[in-house]
Amino acid sequence: GAGVSQSPSNKVTEKGKDVELRCDPISGHTALYWYRQRLGQGLEFLIYFQGNSAPDKSGLPSDRFSAERTGESVSTLTIQRTQQEDSAVYLCASSLRSSTGLNEQFFGPGTRLTVL
Amino acid sequence: GQQLNQSPQSMFIQEGEDVSMNCTSSSIFNTWLWYKQEPGEGPVLLIALYKAGELTSNGRLTAQFGITRKDSFLNISASIPSDVGIYFCAGMNYGGSQGNLIFGKGTKLSVKP
Repeated sequence: GAGVSQSPSNKVTEKGKDVELRCDPISGHTALYWYRQRLGQGLEFLIYFQGNSAPDKSGLPSDRFSAERTGESVSTLTIQRTQQEDSAVYLCASSLRSSTGLNEQFFGPGTRLTVL
Repeated sequence: GQQLNQSPQSMFIQEGEDVSMNCTSSSIFNTWLWYKQEPGEGPVLLIALYKAGELTSNGRLTAQFGITRKDSFLNISASIPSDVGIYFCAGMNYGGSQGNLIFGKGTKLSVKP
C-alpha cells in the first residue's frame, strides 16, 4: 500500500499477557519510529530504527518493552507482562532519512491497546 | 530533556474565523513540523519548516519557523467545520543518533457551523 499500515487496529488483552504490534512502513523509507499516545495526550517517543538497527531506544518506558525490525521493512513492538498503564494507542511512523534533513514522518493509523 | 509548550490547549471558534496557535521550545530545533490528528487516526503532516524565518503556506494554512529557532506558529484562515481536530507541533534536530520528534501536547480545535 501507499501509506504506513499497522495491525491489529485494536487489541484487548488481560493484564500479564504479552502482546505484539506490527508496523509496515512506506516502501523505501529507511527510518521507522514508534510512539505511544495516551488518551487525550500528545505523542510520546518510544524507539527509532535506522535500517534494522535502533540507535535511539531512549523512550522505551521499561524492559518489558522491546522492538525489532527486519529486512529494513516490517517492525514489531512487543510488550511483555502487560499492565493497565500500558493501555494507549501505539503509533508507528516512517520517513526517508537524508543528510539534508528532509525526513518528514508519515504516521500509520495506530493500534489501540486496552489492558483489562 | 527538550520540552515543547503548545498553546492554546483548546479553541472553540465560529466557522469563518481565523485561528492562530503556537509552540515554544526551551532549546533550538532545526526542523519544525505541524500535524493534524482526527479521532481514530494517526497524525497527518500539514507543513514542514526547515529554515529559521521560513514562512510556508498550504492552502488556508500558514506556518512560520521562528527566527530564534525556538518557536513556530500555525495560522488557519477562514475556518471550516472539517478543520476540527487536534493540531500538534513537533520539533526535531536531524543528524546523529537522535531520531525522534518532540511533540507538543496539541491544540484541540472545535468549529461551530
